[in-house]
Amino acid sequence: DAKTTQPPSMDCAEGRAANLPCNHSTISGNEYVYWYRQIHSQGPQYIIHGLKNNETNEMASLIITEDRKSSTLILPHATLRDTAVYYCIAGPAYNTDKLIFGTGTRLQVFP
Amino acid sequence: NAGVTQTPKFRVLKTGQSMTLLCAQDMNHEYMYWYRQDPGMGLRLIHYSVGEGTTAKGEVPDGYNVSRLKKQNFLLGLESAAPSQTSVYFCASSYGQSGANVLTFGAGSRLTVL
Repeated sequence: DAKTTQPPSMDCAEGRAANLPCNHSTISGNEYVYWYRQIHSQGPQYIIHGLKNNETNEMASLIITEDRKSSTLILPHATLRDTAVYYCIAGPAYNTDKLIFGTGTRLQVFP
Repeated sequence: NAGVTQTPKFRVLKTGQSMTLLCAQDMNHEYMYWYRQDPGMGLRLIHYSVGEGTTAKGEVPDGYNVSRLKKQNFLLGLESAAPSQTSVYFCASSYGQSGANVLTFGAGSRLTVL
């Protein structure tokens, strides 16, 4: 199971794009990249996932490098409510007991 | 559509007492999970279930038992609580079929063991 590396914290001005990086250099071909976030002490919330192609949904965009060794989560217009811990996880489609939540990146959005 | 519901939300126990945390999901998901989260740490998997009547150990199963008698419910039991089990417990569920397996989490249950 691929290990991911994320910066412990980042800041972003409200209204600007927040770009959260993640390194997953040991990811295997059948492993997805998943992003979740946890606001304060609430339960983690799913954001987006991808395998090879870039993905976009109503919450965010996910850019995966061609070699799949790293990815970036983009929140296009960050708001104060996006302040949270963001988890990047690399894991298989099945066997989701293998999804390892690390300590993530604490994103602080400031006015 | 409530999603994943955990009860109780808060509980204080004395060392040696027992209790059960209940997780209920209304999404007809096959897979269910129990995680714990300690301050400043990520989530660690305690036990999980891939279907009604099945359970399996996760990363930190010691001191806990689980049961999945009904597809929609996943119970986490502490037979003899210890202060080291003071934590926030999260239940999650997922569809468990083909393709990416996305987890839906409950709001958490905060347990304090004195």
